[in-house]
Amino acid sequence: GAGVSQSPSNKVTEKGKDVELRCDPISGHTALYWYRQSLGQGLEFLIYFQGNSAPDKSGLPSDRFSAERTGGSVSTLTIQRTQQEDSAVYLCASSLQTNTYEQYFGPGTRLTVT
Amino acid sequence: GNSVTQMEGPVTLSEEAFLTINCTYTATGYPSLFWYVQYPGEGLQLLLKATKADDKGSNKGFEATYRKETTSFHLEKGSVQVSDSAVYFCALSAPSGGNQFYFGTGTSLTVIP
Repeated sequence: GAGVSQSPSNKVTEKGKDVELRCDPISGHTALYWYRQSLGQGLEFLIYFQGNSAPDKSGLPSDRFSAERTGGSVSTLTIQRTQQEDSAVYLCASSLQTNTYEQYFGPGTRLTVT
Repeated sequence: GNSVTQMEGPVTLSEEAFLTINCTYTATGYPSLFWYVQYPGEGLQLLLKATKADDKGSNKGFEATYRKETTSFHLEKGSVQVSDSAVYFCALSAPSGGNQFYFGTGTSLTVIP
């Protein structure tokens, strides 16, 4: 079956612009996660959804970052007024449920802020 | 709090050499432990996992044993192949962690013929 998909695969934007990143999880997966992978660093957890609800938003780096999930499926991560330090690969993962279930990762969106 | 500390890379080995990538963790409660692998140009995929102390996860010749007494989950393989060249991430999921995964910084492995 189809895996996790993300769009766009690459995004170049000017500093100060807003961007929207999209994630389509595996059908039936109730949990959805967003991570950020910066050059030379590990995966930084941003936020997770259980259904449409995000119980913990403390991982979001600043109030310029927001995320939503509708219909228990597609999720969008929005970065407002982008900064150069936002440049990274943004990864989405989904799992059947939270906690010990395997997470399936999408290919990521490479964001470059110029 | 919850965190994962992983062996720094990069690691370069000759084909058929023995591999160990160290991983230690700090967690509240009883975490589950994972190794993920990212092959060049591909997304992260689960390599193996262990959900309780003394469990051994294994896959594709790789093994890791959940050691509660040393809070470790070291990845090992007896004989690496060129196709094992990738970045390896240790991760944990803890009930007290709000159901998020905590990843290490990754260890890049290059296997040369």
